[in-house]
Amino acid sequence: AQKVTQAQTEISVVEKEDVTLDCVYETRDTTYYLFWYKQPPSGELVFLIRRNSFDEQNEISGRYSWNFQKSTSSFNFTITASQVVDSAVYFCALSGTKGTYKYIFGTGTRLKVLA
Amino acid sequence: SQTIHQWPATLVQPVGSPLSLECTVEGTSNPNLYWYRQAAGRGLQLLFYSVGIGQISSEVPQNLSASRPQDRQFILSSKKLLLSDSGFYLCAWQPGSASDTQYFGPGTRLTVL
Repeated sequence: AQKVTQAQTEISVVEKEDVTLDCVYETRDTTYYLFWYKQPPSGELVFLIRRNSFDEQNEISGRYSWNFQKSTSSFNFTITASQVVDSAVYFCALSGTKGTYKYIFGTGTRLKVLA
Repeated sequence: SQTIHQWPATLVQPVGSPLSLECTVEGTSNPNLYWYRQAAGRGLQLLFYSVGIGQISSEVPQNLSASRPQDRQFILSSKKLLLSDSGFYLCAWQPGSASDTQYFGPGTRLTVL
């Protein structure tokens, strides 16, 4: 069965601190895709990154970076020098088994960045 | 570029009343379309998805239904709302393959009283 676990329910940091959001997944597929979305207070889910299972290179985009490790089935997300605008709920997701259209979402991590 | 719209943004309805939420996508053809519900403080629950006009798949049996009368229009309906239908409803579109990225709309916040 497929599963995505975001064990951190809520994290609070002070502005300018670095913070890592954990995501652990389970799948038997050899080809799969992982995603991160941000949900600010407005509610809309904003797409951040999509990573396929064959590409284990770390990704950096500005203050955001992602560490994909197949050996530990993890796809962690780090925000460097956090800002108040980073406060949101962050969801990790796994594409469904080949032939299905269902994403498997984690339960989300609420990040609070305090000024 | 592609844009996804949802309306209304906010809705307050009495128990037992009907519901119609609309989602439209611009700038793409034959997208996969999805309806999700998010209860307060909870994760995302997939309700329906559609891979083409008139093709609807239901993930959760309940008093909601979905329709896709046009290629880029997806409608969520109910004949009689329940208190448990309250939540944040999100529509998403996807370019084509099931593994492609899903892009979400702004959502509709529904309160059933």
